[in-house]
Amino acid sequence: EVQLVESGGGLVKPGGSLRLSCAASGFTFSSYSMNWVRQAPGKGLEWVSSISGYSNYVFYADSLKGRFTISRDNAKNSLYLQMNSLRAEDTAVYYCARGPGNSWYYFDYWGQGTLVTVSS
Amino acid sequence: QSVLTQPPSVSAAPGQKVTISCSGSSSNIGNNYVSWYQHLPGTAPKLLIYDNNKRPSGIPDRFSGSKSGTSATLGITGLQTGDEADYYCGTWDSSLSAVVFGGGTKLTVL
Repeated sequence: EVQLVESGGGLVKPGGSLRLSCAASGFTFSSYSMNWVRQAPGKGLEWVSSISGYSNYVFYADSLKGRFTISRDNAKNSLYLQMNSLRAEDTAVYYCARGPGNSWYYFDYWGQGTLVTVSS
Repeated sequence: QSVLTQPPSVSAAPGQKVTISCSGSSSNIGNNYVSWYQHLPGTAPKLLIYDNNKRPSGIPDRFSGSKSGTSATLGITGLQTGDEADYYCGTWDSSLSAVVFGGGTKLTVL
């Protein structure tokens, strides 16, 4: 059974940093792209970033302007999102999601999400 | 402002059919596959349709997808109260090199 479990969310002050993790199980992790998608309170889904199976390809939403870094450790079956210079508008539930093979045309499994709150 | 445009809300009675539209452009829907997701508050989003019209295992055939030009449509027949949720379309945008979602449509089953 495919499982994705996010962790690392919490309350952080504006300008601070946070590192999210996503533990994957039930599939050959390195064979799939992995992705982060977020949902701010009262808003819709917003794509954040994608990374290919062996990290050859990485994509980010323009709105992040270099503040976020996606990475993965295939030996640990884990996906990460390093978030720096956090702003109030980054407050959201962050989901990790699996892509189909090494593409990102859709996301077939999602985690339950981890809440990030940026507030002083 | 989302790259893909969806109606904010739709509603229909139990047992009826509803369609949700998703409008884009040649850089996204026009030249890439469309997917659809169901999202209930507090839960993980669920993939309903991928590659425009394919259903993952376990998704009932009450859900269908289609695409024409730069627009896509999600259809749901035999509406049930359990279908009340937010629905999102998504695709790749070749110009932005980014995944884009619609703004979401809230389905109410009256």
